[in-house]
Amino acid sequence: RKEVEQDPGPFNVPEGATVAFNCTYSNSASQSFFWYRQDCRKEPKLLMSVYSSGNEDGRFTAQLNRASQYISLLIRDSKLSDSATYLCVVNQAGNTPLVFGKGTRLSVIA
Amino acid sequence: SAVISQKPSRDICQRGTSLTIQCQVDSQVTMMFWYRQQPGQSLTLIATANQGSEATYESGFVIDKFPISRPNLTFSTLTVSNMSPEDSSIYLCSVADRGMTNYGYTFGSGTRLTVV
Repeated sequence: RKEVEQDPGPFNVPEGATVAFNCTYSNSASQSFFWYRQDCRKEPKLLMSVYSSGNEDGRFTAQLNRASQYISLLIRDSKLSDSATYLCVVNQAGNTPLVFGKGTRLSVIA
Repeated sequence: SAVISQKPSRDICQRGTSLTIQCQVDSQVTMMFWYRQQPGQSLTLIATANQGSEATYESGFVIDKFPISRPNLTFSTLTVSNMSPEDSSIYLCSVADRGMTNYGYTFGSGTRLTVV
C-alpha cells in the first residue's frame, strides 16, 4: 500500500464549479499535512497546510481526519487559473522528508 | 520564506557522462532533501543531506550513482553519475522552511535532465 494515496483524476470541471480532492495516508505517526500545487514544468509550491480543526484560505478549504487518516481539499468557484496538479503531502515531523501522493490533475474549462 | 537558487535549470547530456546540480539557499538550514520526479509521476525522495555528515539515501538510490555534497548550511550538490536515458527526469532540492506555517517546505525550481 502506498504511503499517500489520492484520487486518480483527472478532474475536468467548468468555471465556477466546486471540486473536492481526497487523500489517505498510511503512517499514523504523520504529524504535518499539506496540499501543494504543481503547474506544468514547474516546482511544487505550498498551497496550504492542513490543520486538525480544518482551515480555509479564500476559495480553498482543507480538512483533516486523523482517526480515518484522511485529508481533503475543496475548491469553490473554480477559476481557469486553478488548473494544475494538486499534491497531497505528509511528513512525520519538522525537518523530515515530505512524502508525496501521485497528485490529481485539475483542468478548469471555460 | 526561504529562497532556493537551483542550477542548471535544464540540460541535455550524453549517456555515460555526469551532471552536478547545485542548490543555494538564502538562509542556513539543517537538512536539505533531493527529490526526483520522473515524467508523469510524483516526487520520489533520493536522499537527505546533512551538513558535516554522509547523506542518507532512500531504498533504490546509492551514493556511487548520486553522490551528494553538503559543505555548509546553505549549499548542496547532487551529481547524477554515469547517466543513462532512464535518468531523464526533473531533480529538485527542498528545505524545511521555518518561515512557513507548520514547517512548510520550499523547493528549488528544478533541473530538467534529458539523457540521450
